[in-house]
Amino acid sequence: EVQLVESGGGLVQPGRSLRLSCAASGFTFDDYAMHWVRQAPGKGLEWVSGISWNSGSIGYADSVKGRFTISRDNAKNSLYLQMNSLRAEDTALYYCAKDSCGGDCYLFDYWGQGTLVTVSS
Amino acid sequence: EIVLTQSPGTLSLSPGERATLSCRASQSVSSSYLAWYQQKPGQAPRLLIYGASSRATGIPDRFSGSGSGTDFTLTISRLEPEDFAVYYCQQYGSSLTFGPGTKVDIK
Repeated sequence: EVQLVESGGGLVQPGRSLRLSCAASGFTFDDYAMHWVRQAPGKGLEWVSGISWNSGSIGYADSVKGRFTISRDNAKNSLYLQMNSLRAEDTALYYCAKDSCGGDCYLFDYWGQGTLVTVSS
Repeated sequence: EIVLTQSPGTLSLSPGERATLSCRASQSVSSSYLAWYQQKPGQAPRLLIYGASSRATGIPDRFSGSGSGTDFTLTISRLEPEDFAVYYCQQYGSSLTFGPGTKVDIK
């Protein structure tokens, strides 16, 4: 059974940093690209960032480019999102999502339950 | 960027009725790379349909997808109580974008 478990969310002041983690199990992690997708309270889905199976291809939404950094550790079956210079508009539930392929397919066949990030003073 | 528009914003129906949800793209979606996700309150999204018409693993056959080019449809043939949720379309033929969602609620 595929499981994706996010952690690291919390309340943080504007301008500060936070690092999210996603622990994956139930599939061969290093065969698949992985992504972060967020959902602001009461709003729709917004893709944040994605990384290919070997970290050779990385992409970011314009809204987070230059502030967020995605990475993965295939030995630990883990995905990360380093979020710097956080803004109020980054407040959202952050989902870890598995891609259906190793590269830029952008089809999300499994999702975690999310970790909530609240940016507020 | 391909912009997706979903209609209606809210669909109020009774259990047992047929639901028809629309997703329109601002330009043609290549190779029908169009997916549908279901999201229930407090839950993560779940992949229902990919490639415009293929059901994902474990999805009941009352869910069906159709369409090509710029116009796509998700049909739920007979609504079950657990089907009342928000449905998002997503194109993945040119980078990716999500639609704003259609809420299916109980009439």
